[in-house]
Amino acid sequence: AQSVAQPEDQVNVAEGNPLTVKCTYSVSGNPYLFWYVQYPNRGLQFLLKYITGDNLVKGSYGFEAEFNKSQTSFHLKKPSALVSDSALYFCAVRGPPGGYNKLIFGAGTRLAVHP
Amino acid sequence: DVKVTQSSRYLVKRTGEKVFLECVQDMDHENMFWYRQDPGLGLRLIYFSYDVKMKEKGDIPEGYSVSREKKERFSLILESASTNQTSMYLCASSLGTSGSVGEQYFGPGTRLTVT
Repeated sequence: AQSVAQPEDQVNVAEGNPLTVKCTYSVSGNPYLFWYVQYPNRGLQFLLKYITGDNLVKGSYGFEAEFNKSQTSFHLKKPSALVSDSALYFCAVRGPPGGYNKLIFGAGTRLAVHP
Repeated sequence: DVKVTQSSRYLVKRTGEKVFLECVQDMDHENMFWYRQDPGLGLRLIYFSYDVKMKEKGDIPEGYSVSREKKERFSLILESASTNQTSMYLCASSLGTSGSVGEQYFGPGTRLTVT
């Protein structure tokens, strides 16, 4: 069965420092992976996705993610964090083929960027 | 840009009431989804629809029903609201399987409180 895990409930980082939000996955077949961000009292916004090709995927707001097949990971990264990046981040994997493109979400990681 | 709207941002209902949550998307997407979001549990799929009048149960359908009479509109119904249905409800839409790798677009959410 497809699943994702976000091992950290919260990540704290100082403004200007690099940030990493971790995600590991378990799939049968090739993984289709996604990152979403949720600002307070808002819906989820798409950040980036990995389908195939280059292991480093670039997305919105300066975020990028590194796909690592051997470690079954898809960590979200940003070289220099901003206070405005503080939000809830969700990793997701597409469900099995024939499943109408359902997404399976992790529990979420709260990112807190301190001035 | 894809736009997904939800009828209410905040809703307060009493136990036993029938509750309707409405979702409308403007991009002619085949798939629509209803999730509930609870702290520490991420997003859990309640129901989804892959075509007009077609629906499938998600992971937690108990206590809920849905209706999709038009392609752009997907309604979530709580037949008899209970306090354990207090949650954030998120609607999403996506292209059908043949036209998409799974990226979903989310509405702003409805925070429902059942007292």
